[in-house]
Amino acid sequence: GDSVTQMEGPVTLSEEAFLTINCTYTATGYPSLFWYVQYPGEGLQLLLKATKADDKGSNKGFEATYRKETTSFHLEKGSVQVSDSAVYFCVLSGGYQKVTFGIGTKLQVIP
Amino acid sequence: DAGITQSPRHKVTETGTPVTLRCHQTENHRYMYWYRQDPGHGLRLIHYSYGVKDTDKGEVSDGYSVSRSKTEDFLLTLESATSSQTSVYFCATQPAGGGETQYFGPGTRLLVL
Repeated sequence: GDSVTQMEGPVTLSEEAFLTINCTYTATGYPSLFWYVQYPGEGLQLLLKATKADDKGSNKGFEATYRKETTSFHLEKGSVQVSDSAVYFCVLSGGYQKVTFGIGTKLQVIP
Repeated sequence: DAGITQSPRHKVTETGTPVTLRCHQTENHRYMYWYRQDPGHGLRLIHYSYGVKDTDKGEVSDGYSVSRSKTEDFLLTLESATSSQTSVYFCATQPAGGGETQYFGPGTRLLVL
């Protein structure tokens, strides 16, 4: 079946550091890929998405590129802020009920 | 953002007690989902609905049942709560033809003693 692999963390960075959270996947067909973010005490919310190979999703300074050849969708941000502290989920969707979540990576940004 | 509310937000109950969690949406989304979130597991699908009175099981459905009598409400029932069902429960919705993005409620934290 489909699967998503990401590190659980926590990832601890100083403010203004460069962020990379790795995400790799296995899937049949042509899934869409997402990054969701969960702030403390809240539900998940969409950060960005890509629906086909070589698409780049971007939002709030975060970017991720759908790489079919390496089955990856790594999340990057050039300069993190304390307000980016949250849990980040890489998600694969093969259809309306075929959604697979990674375990979530906790990011801590310290001033 | 989709208007999705969950009730209660926090609940403590005892083993063997039935518990019902409610998800209410105001966006007229067709699809609704119940997930549980546990450390080391991410989110796992319990049940989902693809329309009024149309529901199906997810990967961790044992011990849970659902009902959807109208578009806006999706109920999750723990028939006889066990300590292994202590978790955070999230409801999500998805519009038909909406590009697969899901919209999440704020979660219900359930503790089974």
